[in-house]
Amino acid sequence: DAGVIQSPRHEVTEMGQEVTLRCKPISGHNSLFWYRQTMMRGLELLIYFNNNVPIDDSGMPEDRFSAKMPNASFSTLKIQPSEPRDSAVYFCASSILAVLSEQYFGPGTRLTVT
Amino acid sequence: KNEVEQSPQNLTAQEGEFITINCSYSVGISALHWLQQHPGGGIVSLFMLSSGKKKHGRLIATINIQEKHSSLHITASHPRDSAVYICAVSPIQGAQKLVFGQGTRLTINP
Repeated sequence: DAGVIQSPRHEVTEMGQEVTLRCKPISGHNSLFWYRQTMMRGLELLIYFNNNVPIDDSGMPEDRFSAKMPNASFSTLKIQPSEPRDSAVYFCASSILAVLSEQYFGPGTRLTVT
Repeated sequence: KNEVEQSPQNLTAQEGEFITINCSYSVGISALHWLQQHPGGGIVSLFMLSSGKKKHGRLIATINIQEKHSSLHITASHPRDSAVYICAVSPIQGAQKLVFGQGTRLTINP
């Protein structure tokens, strides 16, 4: 299995631009998580989906952030408009749907907003 | 105060030394996870445990639910063990939502 796939791996954009991050979970996994990692705050959960349905988006910092999961094999995290404080590494992870399940992380997308 | 606290924040040791990283948490949990993040940035799950002890190769993870404390041990440490080790908990309420510690940066010198 290829593992969780994220694209792009690196993104540099100017403030005000729209940014779209993409994630393909492991086949057969039906839970998907979006995380953000910064030096100041460490790893934080932004939103997670079960069976393509958003379950908890309380970690989404503000309305500029949105996430979708149109089908079991694809999810996007969009930032519009982007700001310099959005600069971080964004990880996608997937797992089987269970109360307790290991999460498998993608390689991350390093976002720099100038 | 963070719900998950790790110590130390940074640890430097010589190859071959026995390493211990500690994690304390303040919420009721269903499970505790140890993750490894290499300098390249990728995150790998090492252990998920809810009681007792687990061992994988040179890595050992223990948890004491009553004391709300877990330790990650590395025996016969090697430079390739150099990484950030992150403790995370699955709270009883909302077990899918991992709550992370700040991580421990481990450097093993040859």
